[in-house]
Amino acid sequence: AQSVAQPEDQVNVAEGNPLTVKCTYSVSGNPYLFWYVQYPNRGLQFLLKYITGDNLVKGSYGFEAEFNKSQTSFHLKKPSALVSDSALYFCAVRFTYNFNKFYFGSGTKLNVKP
Amino acid sequence: DTGVSQDPRHKITKRGQNVTFRCDPISEHNRLYWYRQTLGQGPEFLTYFQNEAQLEKSRLLSDRFSAERPKGSFSTLEIQRTEQGDSAMYLCASSLGGAVRDQPQHFGDGTRLSIL
Repeated sequence: AQSVAQPEDQVNVAEGNPLTVKCTYSVSGNPYLFWYVQYPNRGLQFLLKYITGDNLVKGSYGFEAEFNKSQTSFHLKKPSALVSDSALYFCAVRFTYNFNKFYFGSGTKLNVKP
Repeated sequence: DTGVSQDPRHKITKRGQNVTFRCDPISEHNRLYWYRQTLGQGPEFLTYFQNEAQLEKSRLLSDRFSAERPKGSFSTLEIQRTEQGDSAMYLCASSLGGAVRDQPQHFGDGTRLSIL
């Protein structure tokens, strides 16, 4: 089945340290990949996307993500975490055979401690 | 760009009652999506409109659920005879469609439904 997985329910990191939130997908064909962030009682906010081209994409708030086709991964990264980055992060996949739908991972809660 | 707005933000109702939610998408967006999100999960696709046409529905959308987008602008999602299991956050999103295929979806803040 086509799907997207976020293997970590929670990631803890100290402020100022680099962070990584993992995402893998299983699909036949070329996916479009997205990261969203969700703060409590709010909707999802778009961070960045990979469509084609350079495997390293840069997005909002200093976040970036690296597409790795051989490992079918799209991990979210930030060189220096802020306490305000603490939130729920979702990876989403959109497949080229069906642009109608996004498939979301189950989310990873990022905790950045001062 | 005023963003996607949803109304109400919170709805508490008794089991068996009908509820209706409204979504106003970003004005130039022709695609509109409804999702359901339960605690600890990512959004699950419910249905999708392109302009006023409802083009796809998830099997999660039982016959108690109906969605409309009568003039291709705002949309409503109605749940009839609500059940405990309907308690969730209902999210609306909109995007540009057609030939523009790499556009992200823009989400509203959701309507949180609690069934007593």
